[in-house]
Amino acid sequence: AQSVTQLGSHVSVSEGALVLLRCNYSSSVPPYLFWYVQYPNQGLQLLLKYTSAATLVKGINGFEAEFKKSETSFHLTKPSAHMSDAAEYFCAVSDSSSASKIIFGSGTRLSIRP
Amino acid sequence: GAGVSQSPSNKVTEKGKDVELRCDPISGHTALYWYRQSLGQGLEFLIYFQGNSAPDKSGLPSDRFSAERTGGSVSTLTIQRTQQEDSAVYLCASSFPGWPEAFFGQGTRLTVV
Repeated sequence: AQSVTQLGSHVSVSEGALVLLRCNYSSSVPPYLFWYVQYPNQGLQLLLKYTSAATLVKGINGFEAEFKKSETSFHLTKPSAHMSDAAEYFCAVSDSSSASKIIFGSGTRLSIRP
Repeated sequence: GAGVSQSPSNKVTEKGKDVELRCDPISGHTALYWYRQSLGQGLEFLIYFQGNSAPDKSGLPSDRFSAERTGGSVSTLTIQRTQQEDSAVYLCASSFPGWPEAFFGQGTRLTVV
């Protein structure tokens, strides 16, 4: 069975500071990995995805994530936080070997301090 | 429309009543997912449809919950004898064959009073 653990339900950073949201996954087969973002009162939007190509994946709004198989991690980073980045971020995993459901983590709420 | 459409957007129901939530996936998307998002919680997987295969119902929390997908397109999530703990946002998503990511609708906010 696949699972995702997001470390830290709430992360607060200052505007202009580095954003680091942690995600560890568990999968018995090569995974697909995703980060989704949910802005207040909106639906979920795909931020970026890993599908076994390059291990460093770039997404929208300056975010990127690195797949590290040895650490079973897929942490999300952004060099400089903007106020508009305040949102809920979800890491997710699915099985790359067959069509399968996507399992989400519990989410990390990112707050930006002026 | 171009995106996943869910209806109604809001539903208030009395405890013990049955409710039906509808999802229209993006045209051509063969996979369809239902998730539940409770206040302050993550996304809880409920059920997954993929083409003509038997659905993965492993996330349904009780036998009061059921879902069907007619003609490989529209899906209905039914909750029977609703309880207050069923109050949540129910999210539907769909994906295209060969694309791993899912595209989400805006959700149905269900309130059981």
